[in-house]
Amino acid sequence: GEDVEQSLFLSVREGDSSVINCTYTDSSSTYLYWYKQEPGAGLQLLTYIFSNMDMKQDQRLTVLLNKKDKHLSLRIADTQTGDSAIYFCAEWGYGNKLVFGAGTILRVKS
Amino acid sequence: NAGVTQTPKFQVLKTGQSMTLQCAQDMNHEYMSWYRQDPGMGLRLIHYSVGAGITDQGEVPNGYNVSRSTTEDFPLRLLSAAPSQTSVYFCASSYGRTETQYFGPGTRLLVL
Repeated sequence: GEDVEQSLFLSVREGDSSVINCTYTDSSSTYLYWYKQEPGAGLQLLTYIFSNMDMKQDQRLTVLLNKKDKHLSLRIADTQTGDSAIYFCAEWGYGNKLVFGAGTILRVKS
Repeated sequence: NAGVTQTPKFQVLKTGQSMTLQCAQDMNHEYMSWYRQDPGMGLRLIHYSVGAGITDQGEVPNGYNVSRSTTEDFPLRLLSAAPSQTSVYFCASSYGRTETQYFGPGTRLLVL
């Protein structure tokens, strides 16, 4: 079945870049997503990438996709304390469902 | 637009009690789904619907029922609550299967 894996924790200093990594198993995935969850809140879509793209940039966010290795990454430039949250990688897997990773806790130290 | 709304925000149940978690969206989305979020496990799909009158099981459907009589509403029913169903429940909707999903604020459920 589909599986999405992420590292559980990342700590960076304010102003540095953050890179959150994700691997997935379903080679038929069409869309891959990054969601952000702040404490006590629901999930907010940050960005997504279509499977025929290698890279997508959206202001401070850069998504890189390596289809051969089934590896997705999210880079946040100039990380701020407001970026502290849980980041979820997700893919559209076989059978009408969005499969999520366990989430990466990003802690930004000032 | 209110987006995706969920009620209640928080609920405490005793084992064996039943309840319905409400979810509504006003964006005319066809696709709606229910997830549960547990620590260290991300979100897991419980049930989903691709349109009014159509529902299907997700990854963890046991103990939950759903129905979709209208496009707007997608309630999740727990017929006999168990402590293992203590979790945070999120409802989501989108125009289509692979379109951006919009999430509700969540319902925190505690089963004693």
